[in-house]
Amino acid sequence: DAGVIQSPRHEVTEMGQEVTLRCKPISGHNSLFWYRQTMMRGLELLIYFNNNVPIDDSGMPEDRFSAKMPNASFSTLKIQPSEPRDSAVYFCASSLRGGYTFGSGTRLTVV
Amino acid sequence: GQQVMQIPQYQHVQEGEDFTTYCNSSTTLSNIQWYKQRPGGHPVFLIQLVKSGEVKKQKRLTFQFGEAKKNSSLHITATQTTDVGTYFCAGNYGGSQGNLIFGKGTKLSVKP
Repeated sequence: DAGVIQSPRHEVTEMGQEVTLRCKPISGHNSLFWYRQTMMRGLELLIYFNNNVPIDDSGMPEDRFSAKMPNASFSTLKIQPSEPRDSAVYFCASSLRGGYTFGSGTRLTVV
Repeated sequence: GQQVMQIPQYQHVQEGEDFTTYCNSSTTLSNIQWYKQRPGGHPVFLIQLVKSGEVKKQKRLTFQFGEAKKNSSLHITATQTTDVGTYFCAGNYGGSQGNLIFGKGTKLSVKP
């Protein structure tokens, strides 16, 4: 199994641009999570899906953030428009029961 | 909101010394998980504790879950340079996987 696959690994974009992060969970896992990690705030849950349905998006910072899971093997996190304070590492994780398997993350820099 | 407090924030040890990180919640947890993140890497699941007073071992690592299910600890015996990284506890409050709240982590450095 290739694990949770995220793309891109690194993204540098200008303020105001749209950014789309992608995630392919482990086949058979029914829960998918998007986390953001910064030095100041640590690991924050943004949103999670169960069986492709968004269950809790209370962690999504603002309307500029949106996430979709059109099928069991793909999810996106979109930021539009991006701002410098969105700079962070964004992790996708999936799970069936118990522990989460994290992807390698996308390091986003907004300049 | 629900918070999981983790101490210490940093720990520097000499290789061969022991290391302990502590996790505390103000409310009862359904279960607790532990993760390790190497520098520049992603969190990797280590273990889940579910039962009150549970103790689990993985080689030099010992994990404990408190009797009240509000606190937990990770102890590493005789640290090695390969133990370097940040150790996170993550508390589950409601049984739903979406309620996993991560502590801020303890960053361990090991001097050879």
